[in-house]
Amino acid sequence: EAQVTQNPRYLITVTGKKLTVTCSQNMNHEYMSWYRQDPGLGLRQIYYSMNVEVTDKGDVPEGYKVSRKEKRNFPLILESPSPNQTSLYFCASSSGTGTSETQYFGPGTRLLVL
Amino acid sequence: AQTVTQSQPEMSVQEAETVTLSCTYDTSENNYYLFWYKQPPSRQMILVIRQEAYKQQNATENRFSVNFQKAAKSFSLKISDSQLGDTAMYFCAFGRGTSYGKLTFGQGTILTVHP
Repeated sequence: EAQVTQNPRYLITVTGKKLTVTCSQNMNHEYMSWYRQDPGLGLRQIYYSMNVEVTDKGDVPEGYKVSRKEKRNFPLILESPSPNQTSLYFCASSSGTGTSETQYFGPGTRLLVL
Repeated sequence: AQTVTQSQPEMSVQEAETVTLSCTYDTSENNYYLFWYKQPPSRQMILVIRQEAYKQQNATENRFSVNFQKAAKSFSLKISDSQLGDTAMYFCAFGRGTSYGKLTFGQGTILTVHP
C-alpha cells in the first residue's frame, strides 16, 4: 500500500529538549516536504526536498532543521523546541515533476511544547 | 507570492442538500494548479478534486465539482447531495506549475452536515 508514515503521532515535550519527527514514504518519490497546521492559518510549508541531499526552506523554516540522506526518509528536527512550535505537523511526498502530481500526506503529528 | 483566501470559517448544510465553499487566490503565474483537500476529524488530508489552470472545463469528481473562474481568480467547491461523512475541514490550495509540489493553503472552512 502506497503511504507516508510519520512517527510519533503525538508528542508532549518541554522547551529546549531536542526532538525528531520521522517521515518515510514507500513510493520512491523525489519530492518531500513538511507543513505545519495552525488554526486560522491553514497549512504552511516549513522545508522541502527535491531529492537526496537537496533541501530548501519553505515559508516558515525558523527553528527547524531537516535532512535527506535517503530517498524514502525526511526527518524534521527541532533542536530547541519552543511553545510557539506547538502545532500539527504533516509530511507529504510526490513524484517531483511538479504539482500535476498528487501529493500524498502522512497522518500528522500533534506536538505540544510546554 | 501567492495567497489563498477562504472567507467562510464555518458552513453548515442539511443532509442531501447542496453547499458551495468559496476560495479566491492571488497570483501572477499563468501555469498553476488548484486543489480542494478534505480533513475529517481523523486529521488525515484527503485530496477531493484538482483543477489545472490551463483547462477551461471545470473538474468533477462524483458529488464534488468546482466552479473555476480564472479571470476572477475564484475556485469554489460545490458538494451535491451532502452526506454526514462530508463533515470536515476543507482546504483550498494553490500550486505553481514549477514549484515541485509546494502548496499554498487557505485558512480552511469547517463544514458540518446536519441529519
